[in-house]
Amino acid sequence: NAGVMQNPRHLVRRRGQEARLRCSPMKGHSHVYWYRQLPEEGLKFMVYLQKENIIDESGMPKERFSAEFPKEGPSILRIQQVVRGDSAAYFCASSPTLAGGFNEQFFGPGTRLTVL
Amino acid sequence: DQQVKQNSPSLSVQEGRISILNCDYTNSMFDYFLWYKKYPAEGPTFLISISSIKDKNEDGRFTVFLNKSAKHLSLHIVPSQPGDSAVYFCAASEGNYQLIWGAGTKLIIKP
Repeated sequence: NAGVMQNPRHLVRRRGQEARLRCSPMKGHSHVYWYRQLPEEGLKFMVYLQKENIIDESGMPKERFSAEFPKEGPSILRIQQVVRGDSAAYFCASSPTLAGGFNEQFFGPGTRLTVL
Repeated sequence: DQQVKQNSPSLSVQEGRISILNCDYTNSMFDYFLWYKKYPAEGPTFLISISSIKDKNEDGRFTVFLNKSAKHLSLHIVPSQPGDSAVYFCAASEGNYQLIWGAGTKLIIKP
């Protein structure tokens, strides 16, 4: 019963490089959410995806950030041309198929991105 | 615009005593509230939740109280144990997938 897996756990990039963060949801979960946590703050919703569909990306910056959840393979959060302000912990969560109301989200261990 | 606020960055409690963590919110449309616990270098773990139609929910040592008129909820842990030392996040939802999070309270249980 593997939980939500994220890799890498730590990622260091120089300004201007690209960062790719991966998330494999729990078995049987078809909904994936990405959150960002800046130091001393709570988690902030970024994007909600189902297989091959972006459902809500209202929390994601319009430029340089993109997310996908392909039919096969993990969900990817991609940050192009990273800047120092992108340094944060990025958490992925998954949930089973929504059946009305709120469904508990299970979180991965996070990827800590450091931009030099 | 902080819709969910945890005003105490940290709280220190003696082992065996009661820990009370507080959370205030501003959005009256929130109808589901959750508490998550987070250890360093790990993701948040769901602890307990409460629907807005209730004012109390209990699960073992953990009880969450909701005061809708005051837009306030609290998490009670009794008795507190060393393993409870962690950061506790309050989160709220308008009945959908989006969770709005507080900044967290670091709970330290002293032996």
